[in-house]
Amino acid sequence: GDSVTQMEGPVTLSEEACLTINCTYTATGYPSLFWYVQYPGEGLQLLLKATKADDKGSNKGFEATYRKETTSFHLEKGSVQVSDSAVYFCALSRPGNNDMRFGAGTRLTVKP
Amino acid sequence: GAGVSQSPSNKVTEKGKDVELRCDPISGHTALYWYRQSLGQGLEFLIYFQGNSAPDKSGLPSDRFSAERTGGSVSTLTIQRTQQEDSAVYLCASSPRLAGNNEQFFGPGTRLTVL
Repeated sequence: GDSVTQMEGPVTLSEEACLTINCTYTATGYPSLFWYVQYPGEGLQLLLKATKADDKGSNKGFEATYRKETTSFHLEKGSVQVSDSAVYFCALSRPGNNDMRFGAGTRLTVKP
Repeated sequence: GAGVSQSPSNKVTEKGKDVELRCDPISGHTALYWYRQSLGQGLEFLIYFQGNSAPDKSGLPSDRFSAERTGGSVSTLTIQRTQQEDSAVYLCASSPRLAGNNEQFFGPGTRLTVL
């Protein structure tokens, strides 16, 4: 079945460091891929998405590129801020499917 | 409302008691989802509604779990005879329509603790 595997955390970085959170997926066909973020005490919110191969999703300085050849959707940011501290979830859904498969989440802590 | 709301935000109950968790989706969203987030785990899909119908209940972990949606709006997730392993954060999400490449909008969750 469809599944998402993402980098285990927790990840601790200093402010302005580079971030990569790995995400790979298993799915038949052409899923849509998402990154959701959960800030402390808040619900999940969509960070970015990509719906077809080679698409790049971007938001708030974060980027992820849909790589079909490596079945990956790694999240990257060139310079993290303390306010980026949160839990990040990679997810996929397939047209015609009625649920969304999430990874286990990666907790990021950015220290000043 | 402005977003998805859930109540209560926290619920502590004794083992064996029944609990009801409520979700108010964004107005006009036809699709509604329930997930469970256990400590250190990802999100586990439980059930979805399209309108008031729940075509697929296979994600519910046991027959102690049930859910309903009325008027195409509010949904309640009921857990009967709660067990300690039911302790988790229960998340509700809504979407203008079923998944595909559509964003789901999440509520803040209900943290359930079963003593």
